[in-house]
Amino acid sequence: KQEVTQIPAALSVPEGENLVLNCSFTDSAIYNLQWFRQDPGKGLTSLLLIQSSQREQTSGRLNASLDKSSGRSTLYIAASQPGDSATYLCAVGRGNTPLVFGKGTRLSVIA
Amino acid sequence: NAGVTQTPKFRVLKTGQSMTLLCAQDMNHEYMYWYRQDPGMGLRLIHYSVGEGTTAKGEVPDGYNVSRLKKQNFLLGLESAAPSQTSVYFCASSYLSVTVNTEAFFGQGTRLTVV
Repeated sequence: KQEVTQIPAALSVPEGENLVLNCSFTDSAIYNLQWFRQDPGKGLTSLLLIQSSQREQTSGRLNASLDKSSGRSTLYIAASQPGDSATYLCAVGRGNTPLVFGKGTRLSVIA
Repeated sequence: NAGVTQTPKFRVLKTGQSMTLLCAQDMNHEYMYWYRQDPGMGLRLIHYSVGEGTTAKGEVPDGYNVSRLKKQNFLLGLESAAPSQTSVYFCASSYLSVTVNTEAFFGQGTRLTVV
């Protein structure tokens, strides 16, 4: 059974700091990994999707990497801003089975 | 440009009452699923569907039923609501591939309270 772990569960950083969020998964036979953002009381917004054949994806100040062999992904946020405060979730997918989610990292960026 | 739409957004039920949550997507996705999100538990899969007329159980299916009569709609039913079903429910959809998943899109959630 696939298990996804995100560490840390919560993180507080000053504005402007670069930061890394971690995601690990137990079964490396995945087809893709997706990072989501969730604001309080809201739904999930997709940030980045990495296919298993890719090693990283970038969108603006966000960069996600994937190392299938070690079962790890990182989400790098450059020059953090208070507007980045949210919960970040990673999820792994495999073919015709649904996404399996981690419990998320709650990020607070302090002005 | 609606994406995934969930109805209703909020609901309060009394124990034993029934209700149906509606999920509609306009992206012609084959794959639809229902998750529930609880504090400290993360997102847990209730049921999912890989196409019109198909459904399958997820991690926590007990107390719920689903139907996918039309490709664009996925219904989640609570036959006899219990306080343990108090949660936020999310619907999602994506294309289905036997080799590569594509991006999953989520609705805004339904906050259900059972008293």
